[in-house]
Amino acid sequence: QSALTQPASVSGSPGQSITISCTGTSSDVGGYNYVSWYQQHPGKAPKLMIYEVSNRPSGVPDRFSGSKSGNTASLTISGLQAEDEADYYCSSYTSSSTHWVFGGGTKLTVL
Amino acid sequence: QVQLQESGPGLVKPSGTLSLTCAVSGGSISSSNWWSWVRQPPGKGLEWIGEIYHSGSTNYNPSLKSRVTISVDKSKNQFSLKLSSVTAADTAVYYCARVLVAVGFDPWGQGTLVTVSS
Repeated sequence: QSALTQPASVSGSPGQSITISCTGTSSDVGGYNYVSWYQQHPGKAPKLMIYEVSNRPSGVPDRFSGSKSGNTASLTISGLQAEDEADYYCSSYTSSSTHWVFGGGTKLTVL
Repeated sequence: QVQLQESGPGLVKPSGTLSLTCAVSGGSISSSNWWSWVRQPPGKGLEWIGEIYHSGSTNYNPSLKSRVTISVDKSKNQFSLKLSSVTAADTAVYYCARVLVAVGFDPWGQGTLVTVSS
């Protein structure tokens, strides 16, 4: 069982917006702003999409945004495009001896 | 820009030791970053294995700590993973990644599939 809880799947139509949640505890998501999100296409390595809760690395479209409230972080993708179909993982630094934890992943289907 | 490349045997026998190396190019492993290993069993999610600083300081996932050793070779600009007493449950794609403080894991290597089987 993953340390961070994500929905197994979400879906949306092209042009719509979707939000993926990532729920942890006060020892990880709620305690630090070191929450990041990764996109993974089949057979490919994960790609950093959001860091420090809401910052986008250079090259990531501004359709991707992040936020946090309490122990739950969220990734929102607006203006869905076919190429957004992928698995998405959240990650957080944790004060536990584990140091870094991941969510179980969410499969995004673009209908 | 920094690029990472994993290498090592794709098949390991049960009870044996899994050994992988991650070559860093486009930057120095002695920069102020941690370097990490993450694995992903087939069809499953990501699991953090551990990380190392160029000084040799390490942090490990407690669930794997008794079996894991991560080391660094600054002369070759690479770091390595050893996982002992492997079982079929250790079959996974193993990724190496740079850990940027306050940022997370970026970039990642392409990953290498290691199968534990006799």
